[in-house]
Amino acid sequence: DGGITQSPKYLFRKEGQNVTLSCEQNLNHDAMYWYRQDPGQGLRLIYYSQIVNDFQKGDIAEGYSVSREKKESFPLTVTSAQKNPTAFYLCASSSPGGRTNYEQYFGPGTRLTVT
Amino acid sequence: GENVEQHPSTLSVQEGDSAVIKCTYSDSASNYFPWYKQELGKRPQLIIDIRSNVGEKKDQRIAVTLNKTAKHFSLHITETQPEDSAVYFCAASGGGSNYKLTFGKGTLLTVNP
Repeated sequence: DGGITQSPKYLFRKEGQNVTLSCEQNLNHDAMYWYRQDPGQGLRLIYYSQIVNDFQKGDIAEGYSVSREKKESFPLTVTSAQKNPTAFYLCASSSPGGRTNYEQYFGPGTRLTVT
Repeated sequence: GENVEQHPSTLSVQEGDSAVIKCTYSDSASNYFPWYKQELGKRPQLIIDIRSNVGEKKDQRIAVTLNKTAKHFSLHITETQPEDSAVYFCAASGGGSNYKLTFGKGTLLTVNP
């Protein structure tokens, strides 16, 4: 299960505050992803990055921002513009090429509660 | 974009029975179809995947079938055990330089002893 870490495991914030979730990987993967998981909704893609200094919006990017300054790191900021930020956030990474192409490895997740 | 539908949303079986979960996808260019298992409070983990050049793949008690013409794929678990109880997600990827996965909404499988 090692290779991708997310911190913290639980995060509590007041409404109106921005919060940044950490995601680090030591798998030498090029691509990284952020998903949001809500009960009964599956995993919905927020942002993804296929290479350093480049990232694209996923299906539900509004109210979120990311950066990809290093290959190992892909932090997600949940801004005050996100209307329903309380959720379980999962980070994943994958490596293009080879027989493991496309397989995504997930971090342990961060459960964010905003009140 | 891709749309993945997954059924059923919940499935309850007796230990030893088989379980089947079905998914359909919309993008005919999709060529990679993984299945993930997520136990309560844990991260999703890949259990099996199939590529579009293969119709069926098996790994011990787990098998996946793919029908590209009909754009659907299924997960089959035989001789179910209580430890198979979890949420299962199917996904589809468009391939090429796009590594995005689109996930189904998940199936909660409960295996009763």
